[in-house]
Amino acid sequence: DAGVIQSPRHEVTEMGQEVTLRCKPISGHNSLFWYRQTMMRGLELLIYFNNNVPIDDSGMPEDRFSAKMPNASFSTLKIQPSEPRDSAVYFCASSSAGGGSYEQYFGPGTRLTVT
Amino acid sequence: AQSVTQLDSHVSVSEGTPVLLRCNYSSSYSPSLFWYVQHPNKGLQLLLKYTSAATLVKGINGFEAEFKKSETSFHLTKPSAHMSDAAEYFCVVRGNTNAGKSTFGDGTTLTVKP
Repeated sequence: DAGVIQSPRHEVTEMGQEVTLRCKPISGHNSLFWYRQTMMRGLELLIYFNNNVPIDDSGMPEDRFSAKMPNASFSTLKIQPSEPRDSAVYFCASSSAGGGSYEQYFGPGTRLTVT
Repeated sequence: AQSVTQLDSHVSVSEGTPVLLRCNYSSSYSPSLFWYVQHPNKGLQLLLKYTSAATLVKGINGFEAEFKKSETSFHLTKPSAHMSDAAEYFCVVRGNTNAGKSTFGDGTTLTVKP
């Protein structure tokens, strides 16, 4: 299995621009998570989906952030408009409830820089 | 409700000496517990997990952790540190429901001195 795939790996954009981060979870996994990691705030859960349905989006910082999961094999995290304080590494992770283990498998992350 | 506390933000050891990274948790449910490792500029990798089977869990790279319900602890240990173990380590708790979410600790940075 290729693992969790994220694209792009690096993104540099100017303030005010729209940014779209993409994630392909591991095939067969039914939960998907978006995290943000910064030096100041550490690792933060932004939103997670079960069976393509958003379950908890309480971590989404504000209305500029939105996430979708149109099918079991694809999710996007969109920031519009982007701001310099959004600069961070964004991780996508997926997991399966099979066997009751629930461990998450993380993608390599997207390093976002907003200038 | 659930929470996890990593008791040390930084731990420094010499190569070849034992490693102890401490984690305490609270959970309303019988929890699953995990340790992840993150090397610089990399994603998080699962080290080991506890899911109500054996209380002593062995993971990759010689790490192990013991689930102690009476102490609500899940400390990570390794008998002999290697330079490649230098990384950040996260303790994670998850309630055992299908819709439950995982709660991550703040992380412990392990430094290994030659």
